[in-house]
Amino acid sequence: GAGVSQSPSNKVTEKGKDVELRCDPISGHTALYWYRQSLGQGLEFLIYFQGNSAPDKSGLPSDRFSAERTGGSVSTLTIQRTQQEDSAVYLCASREGPPETQYFGPGTRLLVL
Amino acid sequence: RKEVEQDPGPFNVPEGATVAFNCTYSNSASQSFFWYRQDCRKEPKLLMSVYSSGNEDGRFTAQLNRASQYISLLIRDSKLSDSATYLCVVNLGGGSQGNLIFGKGTKLSVKP
Repeated sequence: GAGVSQSPSNKVTEKGKDVELRCDPISGHTALYWYRQSLGQGLEFLIYFQGNSAPDKSGLPSDRFSAERTGGSVSTLTIQRTQQEDSAVYLCASREGPPETQYFGPGTRLLVL
Repeated sequence: RKEVEQDPGPFNVPEGATVAFNCTYSNSASQSFFWYRQDCRKEPKLLMSVYSSGNEDGRFTAQLNRASQYISLLIRDSKLSDSATYLCVVNLGGGSQGNLIFGKGTKLSVKP
């Protein structure tokens, strides 16, 4: 079946612009995660959605970052007033439930000039 | 102490070698453990879950030591295609961050 998809696959933007990154999780998966991975670094947790519960936003690095998940499916990660340090690969993952196997999308490579 | 720690490597081994990675975790309440594999410029993918009794999948063996709070991954008869970064993933046992914490990964390079 279809896996997790993300769009765009690559995004180049200018410093100060806003960007929106999209994630389509696997159908029926109740949990959705956003991570950030800088070049050569590990995964940095950003935000987690589980069903209709309030999201866990503890990983968002600043108030320029926000995310929403509409209808328990598609999620959008928004970065306002982008900075060069926001350049990274943004990975989305979804999970059906226990066991806690996460399925990752291919990521969006963001470059802020 | 970091929640999940791994030796970043790189581990450079010849084809056919046996190589082992360890990962330590800090939360004794952790319940679930996984190894993921991440190829260069690709997304992480599940390699195997780690069960209390240890488990094997072909050339890969995973072990859990709850007393010492570490898990291990053993790769036998290394192939060139095993070259990747191996991520240790641990369930936090609580309600934050969706319960899962990823280590920063151990890089493996298998040479001909």
